Amino acid sequence: DAGVIQSPRHEVTEMGQEVTLRCKPISGHDYLFWYRQTMMRGLELLIYFNNNVPIDDSGMPEDRFSAKMPNASFSTLKIQPSEPRDSAVYFCASSSPTFAREKLFFGSGTQLSVL
Amino acid sequence: GDSVTQMEGPVTLSEEAFLTINCTYTATGYPSLFWYVQYPGEGLQLLLKATKADDKGSNKGFEATYRKETTSFHLEKGSVQVSDSAVYFCALSDWSNDYKLSFGAGTTVTVRA
Repeated sequence: DAGVIQSPRHEVTEMGQEVTLRCKPISGHDYLFWYRQTMMRGLELLIYFNNNVPIDDSGMPEDRFSAKMPNASFSTLKIQPSEPRDSAVYFCASSSPTFAREKLFFGSGTQLSVL
Repeated sequence: GDSVTQMEGPVTLSEEAFLTINCTYTATGYPSLFWYVQYPGEGLQLLLKATKADDKGSNKGFEATYRKETTSFHLEKGSVQVSDSAVYFCALSDWSNDYKLSFGAGTTVTVRA
């Protein structure tokens, strides 16, 4: 079975540019999570969805960040405009109804570098 | 609020050595406890879990016991291999945080042949 698929794997952009990260969760999973990982802050939950509906976006750092889930098989995390401090690894994870928010399946991440 | 504290790394070991990674937690309620592992270049994956006091989670030779009296969930493996080199995250899930996972900072483990 395919796992959680994220694209791109690496993104290098300049400050002020728009960045869009993409995620395809595991089929049948109804929870989707976006995390950010940095050396300074560790792993932070940005937002999560249940059945395509955003449930908790309290971790989104500021208005420059937005996330959407237009259908059960696709989600995006957008940063506009991007700043150097946004440089991090961004993970998408999904979870099934059985395991809810406890057993998460993570993608391989997107390494974002904002110059 | 809920939080998890892990021993700081990095930890470097020789093959077949004993590994312990300490983890303590603070929680409002009665949390479930987890260890996740992140291999190089990959996302995190669940290694083991325990949902009540004195439960022992185990997987791939790793074990951790839920100790409510010491609020701890230390990870152990008796004989590590080079393939165990990874970052290990302790985490908890509790009703007071809507059952969202709260992760520790992670401990980097390197096993040398």
